[in-house]
Amino acid sequence: RKEVEQDPGPFNVPEGATVAFNCTYSNSASQSFFWYRQDCRKEPKLLMSVYSSGNEDGRFTAQLNRASQYISLLIRDSKLSDSATYLCVVAPSHGSGNTGKLIFGQGTTLQVKP
Amino acid sequence: DVKVTQSSRYLVKRTGEKVFLECVQDMDHENMFWYRQDPGLGLRLIYFSYDVKMKEKGDIPEGYSVSREKKERFSLILESASTNQTSMYLCASKGGSSGANVLTFGAGSRLTVL
Repeated sequence: RKEVEQDPGPFNVPEGATVAFNCTYSNSASQSFFWYRQDCRKEPKLLMSVYSSGNEDGRFTAQLNRASQYISLLIRDSKLSDSATYLCVVAPSHGSGNTGKLIFGQGTTLQVKP
Repeated sequence: DVKVTQSSRYLVKRTGEKVFLECVQDMDHENMFWYRQDPGLGLRLIYFSYDVKMKEKGDIPEGYSVSREKKERFSLILESASTNQTSMYLCASKGGSSGANVLTFGAGSRLTVL
């Protein structure tokens, strides 16, 4: 079983739609969670961190369910510019958190159509 | 903003050649990473370094080595390139207590081994 699993998609949605992605992780001791965005032929960039209580940034909402070991990303009112691959990222418990690797999911591709 | 620079965006090499991929970051980050990204496999960690002259193997270190002689520079070396090392290589860095687990990536180096 992969440490971090995502449905690769693609998710094809019309502009204005609401779309949600889930990601599951296997290590129950994982401490930090993130969503990164990667545009075609570009490097991944941090979209948002995921906090235990859930958090929102404009049209984007991230949630964490520790009991079921999954995180989610909800995008409301999709724009054409939201088309990208969304990577789920999990940080294992490493004390200070300043060392150690991050575990990336395979990514979920979103295509927003006019 | 942190800047991570990978000097070579596109390289074409022949089987058996030695390949150097250079990465420089300008924000005094302690931690630097080399990933490769392949379709269907996502990002896989090759090596990382948490300090000058320190290195640790990631998930797929075979066929690679690294060098961290200065804090700002982390080099990936393919001693004898093989066709299965054709891939996108991404360098990343992350720093201290503020945003400790946030990675900043370079633009990537796309390597083709013939």
